[in-house]
Amino acid sequence: GAVVSQHPSRVICKSGTSVKIECRSLDFQATTMFWYRQFPKQSLMLMATSNEGSKATYEQGVEKDKFLINHASLTLSTLTVTSAHPEDSSFYICSPLASSQGEHYGYTFGSGTRLTVV
Amino acid sequence: GQNIDQPTEMTATEGAIVQINCTYQTSGFNGLFWYQQHAGEAPTFLSYNVLDGLEEKGRFSSFLSRSKGYSYLLLKELQMKDSASYLCAVRDRNDYKLSFGAGTTVTVRA
Repeated sequence: GAVVSQHPSRVICKSGTSVKIECRSLDFQATTMFWYRQFPKQSLMLMATSNEGSKATYEQGVEKDKFLINHASLTLSTLTVTSAHPEDSSFYICSPLASSQGEHYGYTFGSGTRLTVV
Repeated sequence: GQNIDQPTEMTATEGAIVQINCTYQTSGFNGLFWYQQHAGEAPTFLSYNVLDGLEEKGRFSSFLSRSKGYSYLLLKELQMKDSASYLCAVRDRNDYKLSFGAGTTVTVRA
């Protein structure tokens, strides 16, 4: 169980354009979604937390107008990087949390999206 | 908030044992996780500790001491495929957020 599908795995976009990343929980319902960003040789940094049907909560220093999160259903959440710039190039990872997910299973992660802005 | 420290790099020989330490300071502790991450991939779950003591799972074991704010991940019978980054993560009691350490890059040499 706890299968997560994240797309696309890699994307290259031009500076100023927007990119949408999808994260789906395939066999469970995710009431909460965590979105992380990871720069090369650094650890995962939490960007925002979203709960189904409500607005996302952003971590300090993360621009909510730049990183738009939609969590409209229990199986799908999207992160849109708007007006992307080269400094947004990073590895973005989603992590859905099920309402009944057992503690001993830890948190499940998507396969990640490598964004390169040129 | 959380303050999590772990060594940056470790090198060991195939077949040997390596211990990765993690110390943390937290305002509300609700479990400690260890993840393995290969370059360019998402983290994969290795272990979870919420009570003091040792949790053993095959070649990997994890230990927790809550009073000391300390954990370690023990990797036995190292294999080349164990070369990866190992992340220590602490869960907050109040909001279930995970805070990650910077990761320890383990290199296994023949």
